Amino acid sequence: DAGVTQSPTHLIKTRGQQVTLRCSPKSGHDTVSWYQQALGQGPQFIFQYYEEEERQRGNFPDRFSGHQFPNYSSELNVNALLLGDSALYLCASSPLAGSDEQYFGPGTRLTVT
Amino acid sequence: AQSVSQHNHHVILSEAASLELGCNYSYGGTVNLFWYVQYPGQHLQLLLKYFSGDPLVKGIKGFEAEFIKSKFSFNLRKPSVQWSDTAEYFCAVNKNTGFQKLVFGTGTRLLVSP
Repeated sequence: DAGVTQSPTHLIKTRGQQVTLRCSPKSGHDTVSWYQQALGQGPQFIFQYYEEEERQRGNFPDRFSGHQFPNYSSELNVNALLLGDSALYLCASSPLAGSDEQYFGPGTRLTVT
Repeated sequence: AQSVSQHNHHVILSEAASLELGCNYSYGGTVNLFWYVQYPGQHLQLLLKYFSGDPLVKGIKGFEAEFIKSKFSFNLRKPSVQWSDTAEYFCAVNKNTGFQKLVFGTGTRLLVSP
């Protein structure tokens, strides 16, 4: 049973560019959340998707957008990249009903130069 | 807004020493509480969680945590650490509303020397 998978593992982009990160949830999970973990900090909630809709959003600008597909996989898009967007981006999945437990993927390390 | 404070940013212990990592949260309502661990080069894993009931919860690898509602605390403990416990530990909380947004502390980096 595969856990949460994310791609790519690492990414280097230039300021002003756009990036798309991908996540496949754990089997049987239908809810996907995205977090940003800056160096030396704890993960910060970006948003959560359920039934292909954004269900809840953290304190991130509109440059951060997402999408969820019918197979529950998800994408995180960041436009007009800033140096401060350099971070580890984590995807977490969970079953909507029942447990509040979230399962995290290995993350995508984004470096903006 | 919710916040989580972890007062120990770096902790260095020798093997067999006892561990206690502090976690305090600010939210007056009903919450769920979690400790996650991130071993070097690995992804975040759940150590233990508290939703309701017995305030002393036991997790994997001999870890336990005690929820003290009056102190808004959820401290992590282990009686005897091992070198393999070297990792970063994160306390997290979410409101018990069915929405699963987790608010994390800044983490505590634990180094256990053999």
